[in-house]
Amino acid sequence: EPEVTQTPSHQVTQMGQEVILRCVPISNHLYFYWYRQILGQKVEFLVSFYNNEISEKSEIFDDQFSVERPDGSNFTLKIRSTKLEDSAMYFCASSLDRGITKNIQYFGAGTRLSVL
Amino acid sequence: GENVEQHPSTLSVQEGDSAVIKCTYSDSASNYFPWYKQELGKRPQLIIDIRSNVGEKKDQRIAVTLNKTAKHFSLHITETQPEDSAVYFCAAGSSNTGKLIFGQGTTLQVKP
Repeated sequence: EPEVTQTPSHQVTQMGQEVILRCVPISNHLYFYWYRQILGQKVEFLVSFYNNEISEKSEIFDDQFSVERPDGSNFTLKIRSTKLEDSAMYFCASSLDRGITKNIQYFGAGTRLSVL
Repeated sequence: GENVEQHPSTLSVQEGDSAVIKCTYSDSASNYFPWYKQELGKRPQLIIDIRSNVGEKKDQRIAVTLNKTAKHFSLHITETQPEDSAVYFCAAGSSNTGKLIFGQGTTLQVKP
């Protein structure tokens, strides 16, 4: 069964450093998402992406965040200058469509980001 | 703003008993309601979903009900087994935006 894959599984970085989290969505999917989950808390929406542009972003997704689809398979989340509070599990998800019949979102295994 | 409230936060049942988790959503535009199961350190896995054009859906031991008027939806697990132990998240989504708003999660413990 096709899966969303994410790399790395764990990223440790120093405060103020830039990180790039990588995702390979399911190959025929068109909609891509990033969510984050702070330890012990709920999953929070960050951003959705379609047709090479952001569809929607949350208040969390401020200027230090950016997303990109650099080629036909990868979908990346960049955090420009990491803060301690960015420490969380970051999940990538993809869906075939967002219409009511094809909007099932499949999640990757996540990247645990630890900012020291 | 958009919000999903989920209760209870923890639920402990004996093996074989039923478990019910309830969610309430605020956005009237929501028309898609998935439930995800997350085992410790793993990805959320979709276990069942319901769309706003139906009131109930069942898949073996799992069922979900939706009351659009009250903006409530619930997950029902019958004949619980120890392997059902996990954190369960409800979510609400809209075909207008695609994003999912998650509830706070319910930690279900099934005691053998």
